[in-house]
Amino acid sequence: NAGVMQNPRHLVRRRGQEARLRCSPMKGHSHVYWYRQLPEEGLKFMVYLQKENIIDESGMPKERFSAEFPKEGPSILRIQQVVRGDSAAYFCASSPTRDQPQHFGDGTRLSIL
Amino acid sequence: EDQVTQSPEALRLQEGESSSLNCSYTVSGLRGLFWYRQDPGKGPEFLFTLYSAGEEKEKERLKATLTKKESFLHITAPKPEDSATYLCAVLNDYKLSFGAGTTVTVRA
Repeated sequence: NAGVMQNPRHLVRRRGQEARLRCSPMKGHSHVYWYRQLPEEGLKFMVYLQKENIIDESGMPKERFSAEFPKEGPSILRIQQVVRGDSAAYFCASSPTRDQPQHFGDGTRLSIL
Repeated sequence: EDQVTQSPEALRLQEGESSSLNCSYTVSGLRGLFWYRQDPGKGPEFLFTLYSAGEEKEKERLKATLTKKESFLHITAPKPEDSATYLCAVLNDYKLSFGAGTTVTVRA
């Protein structure tokens, strides 16, 4: 059984460019979560999505960040006009229901030049 | 706001030297306490879920326990392959709030 798949594993962008991070949840999981891990900090919740719906985006910066989980295809976390402070590891997790354990991918490490 | 505090920050053990990691938490509505293991460059790997005080879970050399205010992860006779960062998280509704983790290093 494939786990949560994230790509790319590493992404380098220059300031002002766009970053698109993709996440395919585990088979049978319809709940997707994005977390961010800044250097020397713990994992922080960003957004919770179900198919075609954003349930809670309270942890996501209101500007430049957006997320989607379309009916077909992976979940996408999009960061527009990246700045140095966006450098972090971004993790996606999925679960079959919202009460069951969340299983994580290996993350995308975003570096901003 | 939910708070999760893990101690110690780092733990260096000799192979076979048992020890415990602590996770204390404050949460308005606990729906579960989770332990994860994270290796460098990898995502958190799920270990245990505990739902109510008094509950215990075991897996190989690891045992997790839960009280109303804290959880312990006991490592019995650790091996070098148990070296990792161990993360504790509480689930409030659907959000996981993580502690900063305890980095365990086991020397042969």
